[in-house]
Amino acid sequence: AQSVAQPEDQVNVAEGNPLTVKCTYSVSGNPYLFWYVQYPNRGLQFLLKYITGDNLVKGSYGFEAEFNKSQTSFHLKKPSALVSDSALYFCAVRDIVPRGSTLGRLYFGRGTQLTVWP
Amino acid sequence: DADVTQTPRNRITKTGKRIMLECSQTKGHDRMYWYRQDPGLGLRLIYYSFDVKDINKGEISDGYSVSRQAQAKFSLSLESAIPNQTALYFCATSDWPRQDVYNEQFFGPGTRLTVL
Repeated sequence: AQSVAQPEDQVNVAEGNPLTVKCTYSVSGNPYLFWYVQYPNRGLQFLLKYITGDNLVKGSYGFEAEFNKSQTSFHLKKPSALVSDSALYFCAVRDIVPRGSTLGRLYFGRGTQLTVWP
Repeated sequence: DADVTQTPRNRITKTGKRIMLECSQTKGHDRMYWYRQDPGLGLRLIYYSFDVKDINKGEISDGYSVSRQAQAKFSLSLESAIPNQTALYFCATSDWPRQDVYNEQFFGPGTRLTVL
């Protein structure tokens, strides 16, 4: 079964420091991996995705994620954190299914609360 | 995302009442989804629909029903609300995948439902 794990419920980092939000996955076959962000009182917003190609994926707001097949990980990173990055971050996965399959859903992790302090 | 709207944004109701949450989208997407979010549990899929004639149960469909009235509208109903259905509910949409590439989902702002 497909699943993702976010091992940290909370990540705290000082503004200007690099940040990492961890995600590991378990899928049958090659994964499609996603990161979403949820700001307070808002819906989830898409940040970036890995489908194939370069292991380093760049996304919105200066975020990037590194796909590591051997470690089955897809960690979200940013070189210099901002206070405005404080939010709830979700990793999600979907594996490849046959065309026309009724599948096509995402499996979300439990979320990691990122707090960036001034 | 303003392209996906949900009504109401907040609702307080009593046990046993029937509740309908509505979702509309202007993105022209065929696929629509209903999730619930509970603290520490992430998002769990309730129902999803790949077109107007297609409805599928997600992982936690018991106690819920849905209606896909049109391509742009997907409603979630709680036939007889109970307190453990208190949660934040999200609607999402996505386009059909092209060449087996899965496209991201776009989320509405959420409906906070409290069942007393």
